[in-house]
Amino acid sequence: NAGVMQNPRHLVRRRGQEARLRCSPMKGHSHVYWYRQLPEEGLKFMVYLQKENIIDESGMPKERFSAEFPKEGPSILRIQQVVRGDSAAYFCASSPTGETHGYTFGSGTRLTVV
Amino acid sequence: KNQVEQSPQSLIILEGKNCTLQCNYTVSPFSNLRWYKQDTGRGPVSLTIMTFSENTKSNGRYTATLDADTKQSSLHITASQLSDSASYICVVSGMTYKYIFGTGTRLKVLA
Repeated sequence: NAGVMQNPRHLVRRRGQEARLRCSPMKGHSHVYWYRQLPEEGLKFMVYLQKENIIDESGMPKERFSAEFPKEGPSILRIQQVVRGDSAAYFCASSPTGETHGYTFGSGTRLTVV
Repeated sequence: KNQVEQSPQSLIILEGKNCTLQCNYTVSPFSNLRWYKQDTGRGPVSLTIMTFSENTKSNGRYTATLDADTKQSSLHITASQLSDSASYICVVSGMTYKYIFGTGTRLKVLA
């Protein structure tokens, strides 16, 4: 079991470009969560998804950010028209049920906007 | 407001020494509390998880305590090793799927 796989590990984008971050959950996990860690801050919840459904996106910025978890393939966190303030580490976690006991985190994607 | 506060912010100790990290939380309702270890450039890795009814949980040289009445937790590291150098994060779940993260304690173990 390869664990939660995130790619790319590092991503550099120029201001105004789009960033697409991918997360493949652990085998058998159908619940995916995205967190953002700004420099010198703790991880902050962004969104919770199940297959083809967004359950809770209360932590997502209202504009430019979107997330999906299609029936087939990884979960995608998409950031349009990136700005310097989007530079952060984005972590994905997965669990077998919608509870925190089974949470497993990926190694994260570090986005740098130049 | 649901918050998790940790102290100290950073800590330097000599190899072989013990240390204790503190966590205070105001998350309500309370489901469980975890301590995570996060190495630089890596994702958080769970060390311990405790529910409301548990007072202590050990994982090797790591021992976590929980006082649900005072909403405090501690992580005690025994006989520290160089590989213990990392950020230690206290994480509290108030709802079933959402975690509230503290900002962590950065531990540096020196030879």
